[in-house]
Amino acid sequence: EAGVAQSPRYKIIEKRQSVAFWCNPISGHATLYWYQQILGQGPKLLIQFQNNGVVDDSQLPKDRFSAERLKGVDSTLKIQPAKLEDSAVYLCASSLQNMNTEAFFGQGTRLTVV
Amino acid sequence: TQLLEQSPQFLSIQEGENLTVYCNSSSVFSSLQWYRQEPGEGPVLLVTVVTGGEVKKLKRLTFQFGDARKDSSLHITAAQPGDTGLYLCAGAMRDSNYQLIWGAGTKLIIKP
Repeated sequence: EAGVAQSPRYKIIEKRQSVAFWCNPISGHATLYWYQQILGQGPKLLIQFQNNGVVDDSQLPKDRFSAERLKGVDSTLKIQPAKLEDSAVYLCASSLQNMNTEAFFGQGTRLTVV
Repeated sequence: TQLLEQSPQFLSIQEGENLTVYCNSSSVFSSLQWYRQEPGEGPVLLVTVVTGGEVKKLKRLTFQFGDARKDSSLHITAAQPGDTGLYLCAGAMRDSNYQLIWGAGTKLIIKP
């Protein structure tokens, strides 16, 4: 069974530039999550999708972050414009239903904003 | 304010030693999960505990959920270098639609 795929693995951009991350969840998983993990901290949920609808985006900085999950499968997370404090690993995870079932994580995208 | 406090933040021990890491909260969780994360990888689920007082064993790892479902511990017996990693606990609360609340993790290094 293929796992959660994310790309790119690494990205370095200058502040004020824009960047996009892509995630392909495990086939059949209805729930998709984007997390931000800053070095030395646990993951912080940015947004949760159930199929192609948003369940929770309360911690998403909507002035600069956006995410979509067209057709309820793949998802993209965009940052525009990036700030230095956005440097982190962005993790995508998927689960069959909500978080009461096991979530499978991708390898993440390490973003460095300089 | 961190809802889930993990301790210690960092632990470095010799191969063969035993260790315990803790995950504490003042909140009650419907379930609690433990993950291990290796550098450059996403977290991987080790276990889910749901019943107060529950004990689960995974080879040399023993997980316990507190009676009041507010805390949990992970005990590793005879640690090996392969156990090195970041151990994260995450709790789910029914009132929050089972959104996972994450601890900051315990970074564990096992020296050969």
